[in-house]
Amino acid sequence: NAGVMQNPRHLVRRRGQEARLRCSPMKGHSHVYWYRQLPEEGLKFMVYLQKENIIDESGMPKERFSAEFPKEGPSILRIQQVVRGDSAAYFCASSHMFGAKNIQYFGAGTRLSVL
Amino acid sequence: GNSVTQMEGPVTLSEEAFLTINCTYTATGYPSLFWYVQYPGEGLQLLLKATKADDKGSNKGFEATYRKETTSFHLEKGSVQVSDSAVYFCALTLTGNQFYFGTGTSLTVIP
Repeated sequence: NAGVMQNPRHLVRRRGQEARLRCSPMKGHSHVYWYRQLPEEGLKFMVYLQKENIIDESGMPKERFSAEFPKEGPSILRIQQVVRGDSAAYFCASSHMFGAKNIQYFGAGTRLSVL
Repeated sequence: GNSVTQMEGPVTLSEEAFLTINCTYTATGYPSLFWYVQYPGEGLQLLLKATKADDKGSNKGFEATYRKETTSFHLEKGSVQVSDSAVYFCALTLTGNQFYFGTGTSLTVIP
């Protein structure tokens, strides 16, 4: 039973380019979450999605960031016109349920470096 | 608001030493509490959890007790091994959707 798969593991972009981060949830999981970890900080919640729906995007920056979880295929976190401050590790998690007793299972992360 | 404060690292211990990693939290309601572990190059793995006050989570020799009176969830292990070297994250959730994480504590166990 494969875990949460993220790719690429490392991504290098120049300022102004676009970054696309992909996340395939665990089999049977229909809830996906994205977190960002800046250097020397803990993981910070960005967005929670179900298939074809954004449920909670309260942690997403208002500009340049977007996320989707289509009916078919992986969830995508898209960062347009990247800046150096976007350099971070981006983690995806998935779960098969929601609610207070939920457990989230994490991928290995994508490390984005902006030159 | 909701937040988690973790003991700063890095922590270096000799094999078979006793481990404590402190974690305290602030929450607007009654959270569930978690410890996750991240081995080099891997994602976060759930280590243990507790969903209500006085619950004790345990796994692989690690334990943590949900202390409502002190708002704490300290991680302990009686005898660490080299294979326990990793980064440990304390986390809480109220809704199960948003998790709030501490900054992580790096543990290195030397033979």
